[in-house]
Amino acid sequence: NAGVTQTPKFQVLKTGQSMTLQCAQDMNHEYMSWYRQDPGMGLRLIHYSVGAGITDQGEVPNGYNVSRSTTEDFPLRLLSAAPSQTSVYFCATRRDRGGYEQYFGPGTRLTVT
Amino acid sequence: AQRVTQPEKLLSVFKGAPVELKCNYSYSGSPELFWYVQYSRQRLQLLLRHISRESIKGFTADLNKGETSFHLKKPFAQEEDSAMYYCALTGGSEKLVFGKGTKLTVNP
Repeated sequence: NAGVTQTPKFQVLKTGQSMTLQCAQDMNHEYMSWYRQDPGMGLRLIHYSVGAGITDQGEVPNGYNVSRSTTEDFPLRLLSAAPSQTSVYFCATRRDRGGYEQYFGPGTRLTVT
Repeated sequence: AQRVTQPEKLLSVFKGAPVELKCNYSYSGSPELFWYVQYSRQRLQLLLRHISRESIKGFTADLNKGETSFHLKKPFAQEEDSAMYYCALTGGSEKLVFGKGTKLTVNP
């Protein structure tokens, strides 16, 4: 099993460009989340999904869109990239709510110039 | 609202010394608390959770509801413990909220 995979690993964008960060999981987990990791800020939740067709906003959703058409995939879209979105992005999955372990992807390092 | 505070950004100890990484939380209900660790160039992974009350890699953490704390402790630090440590909380909802992290460096 691949677990949680993310593509690309690295990306450089110019301000105003759009792109999609891909996240896929083969663990049949219902819960999926996107976090960004910034120095001194820890991990902040961007968007999350409790199942196919259901998404909700996290702590820092502005500038990002998500959709969840299948259990396996949870792409994160940047519609118009800004330098403030330079960060490392992590996708994570969890089997269910509450005290279950959250599994993280390897991360995507995004730079917006 | 759920909130996790890790007061130390950086913590440096010598090999063999005890280490304690502090975590305080704010939540009105019954929290479920975790410690996640990120070793250099690796993805985040679960270290331990309070409901299992286990010791992983020599680390333990006890939930103190009176002090709203979940400090991570190890009696004798090893160089391979050097990593970024995150305390996290869920109130049973879908959201897992993380603290800002503590970077632990264990010096030889």
